[in-house]
Amino acid sequence: AQKITQTQPGMFVQEKEAVTLDCTYDTSDQSYGLFWYKQPSSGEMIFLIYQGSYDEQNATEGRYSLNFQKARKSANLVISASQLGDSAMYFCAMREYRGSTLGRLYFGRGTQLTVWP
Amino acid sequence: DAGITQSPRYKITETGRQVTLMCHQTWSHSYMFWYRQDLGHGLRLIYYSAAADITDKGEVPDGYVVSRSKTENFPLTLESATRSQTSVYFCASSESRTGVNTEAFFGQGTRLTVV
Repeated sequence: AQKITQTQPGMFVQEKEAVTLDCTYDTSDQSYGLFWYKQPSSGEMIFLIYQGSYDEQNATEGRYSLNFQKARKSANLVISASQLGDSAMYFCAMREYRGSTLGRLYFGRGTQLTVWP
Repeated sequence: DAGITQSPRYKITETGRQVTLMCHQTWSHSYMFWYRQDLGHGLRLIYYSAAADITDKGEVPDGYVVSRSKTENFPLTLESATRSQTSVYFCASSESRTGVNTEAFFGQGTRLTVV
């Protein structure tokens, strides 16, 4: 079974609008971390935001926020006020902090976001 | 310079040859990872290492070998390259603290083509 599922291969949003990128995860651990990365067309991996499983508040970093719903095992990324430079591939990732897979970092298949003017 | 570097950036090799991709980090991070990125598959974990001399398989380890004799280096070897191993390979490193942000820092990637 996939640890990280991103069901949207592609998303389109108009400049200045908000967009939500979906991510669900699968783990039996109580202690884990969730991450979002951005990969522009140049290829580098850029860390955006982190959410710990014990964090009670949703993480925010500038225009990025993580909508963390623990019972649903979802960790959606919300980008507010989209900009043309947000066009990129976005990856959701999870790291387990206990058990036999301690330390492993799993990625989803990604969502290609296109921002249009 | 501080950071994580991969070499080479681009490599073309022939089927059946052995090829080694290098990864070096300067932060003394305990964890290091190797991923391959293919269209439609995202990043798939090949091998990872929790510390020097400790390595473990990821999701797609077949055909690959790793070693970690020093904390800062984590080379990935394709013992006998196949066309299906044509991919972009990313190395990453991170700290090992539990329960706090342990983001992984990525190298620039190595584009490997097996002909």
